[in-house]
Amino acid sequence: QAVVTQEPSLTVSPGGTVTLTCGSSTGTVTSGHYTYWLQQKPGQVPRTLIYDTSNKHSWTPARFSGSLLGGKAALTLSGAQPEDEADYYCLLTYSGPWVFGGGTKLTVL
Amino acid sequence: EVQLVESGGGLVQPGGSLRLSCAASGFTFSKFWMTWVRQAPGKGLEWLANINQDGSVKFYADSVKGRFSISRDNAKNSVYLQMNSLRVEDTAVYSCEGGAAADFWGQGTLVTVSS
Repeated sequence: QAVVTQEPSLTVSPGGTVTLTCGSSTGTVTSGHYTYWLQQKPGQVPRTLIYDTSNKHSWTPARFSGSLLGGKAALTLSGAQPEDEADYYCLLTYSGPWVFGGGTKLTVL
Repeated sequence: EVQLVESGGGLVQPGGSLRLSCAASGFTFSKFWMTWVRQAPGKGLEWLANINQDGSVKFYADSVKGRFSISRDNAKNSVYLQMNSLRVEDTAVYSCEGGAAADFWGQGTLVTVSS
């Protein structure tokens, strides 16, 4: 099965902007991968922020956005808040099977 | 209120078996694919298996193919994971997921494989 890669860690300043990326060992990430982005805080259940590349749930803060960028999926956080410090996982679907990325630990500092 | 409640975890010896259950409420269970994922202590999320609405289509991660089996009972609003030939590396919190867009996640049940 495919391997999905993410940055292990990133740091952003409060109020700043950061982009997390998600690549696939099979090649370019497309809309057909229906990319999901999940946020997980310590001791909590994952929460899906983005689905189908760029769609937001009702609970997704407006400062988060999803896109395709340079052959990868991307999650952009604009105007980072201290409460955004968390682990972020991307999830790609491959016509049935799913594959999670290894996760990005985002520090807001 | 949507709820996904897993049960059936516990301590099992290597080579043993467990059957996990996930009871759903608050949404129309029979309309959605359901998924099992796990998270080993201090590690990331790992997808294990998913099943379509009527149980006729199933997919498995290579790491569990041939050992784990997913099933569902729409009359009971439940999805199951039968786990056989368990290994130490299967130790993790096992959670179910459902909804149109990975909307709903359970709290998980801990499976510990140890002698």
